[in-house]
Amino acid sequence: SQQGEEDPQALSIQEGENATMNCSYKTSINNLQWYRQNSGRGLVHLILIRSNEREKHSGRLRVTLDTSKKSSSLLITASRAADTASYFCATDEAAGNKLTFGGGTRVLVKP
Amino acid sequence: DSGVTQTPKHLITATGQRVTLRCSPRSGDLSVYWYQQSLDQGLQFLIQYYNGEERAKGNILERFSAQQFPDLHSELNLSSLELGDSALYFCASSPSGGQGGDIQYFGAGTRLSVL
Repeated sequence: SQQGEEDPQALSIQEGENATMNCSYKTSINNLQWYRQNSGRGLVHLILIRSNEREKHSGRLRVTLDTSKKSSSLLITASRAADTASYFCATDEAAGNKLTFGGGTRVLVKP
Repeated sequence: DSGVTQTPKHLITATGQRVTLRCSPRSGDLSVYWYQQSLDQGLQFLIQYYNGEERAKGNILERFSAQQFPDLHSELNLSSLELGDSALYFCASSPSGGQGGDIQYFGAGTRLSVL
């Protein structure tokens, strides 16, 4: 079963624009992570935010976490064609390191 | 390159057959995780091993089994294969085993096609 639901399912933007995607989850979490997957390839870790953090930055990425709403958002600023990929949120719960993934957002950045 | 190696990259087989997927974790990582990615089920956690022992189990069918060897590489065995087992199978590794908050490093995956 999927813990997270991502919105939108797909996003198409022009190079230079910002891309925002959201993730909602159902149960209490320890951490929330975002991963990127280029078509049919392995997942690459982008950023981890802990349940006691509200916002985190890494380069052009900004992640927010609202545990009261059980939601997170990923913002990619000044997007590039190379950002074209699927983006997944993943949560891990109180016990263990098992990741539960959302359905992903497919992002297309047009040059 | 994540440092996680999966072989083979592609596997084509017939229904009813058995296959073995192999994963070598990053140097120093003690945990290995297996995930299945399919169009209808998305990314699903199958099983985790930590330092040779099973640590967590997810949506893994009884026809599937895994193990982690003393050198920490892992194998996922899929038997009595069905058409619905066609998917991408990912292995990931992380340094520790269970406190949460570990970043998982993913291999490139094995694409299994059951005909």
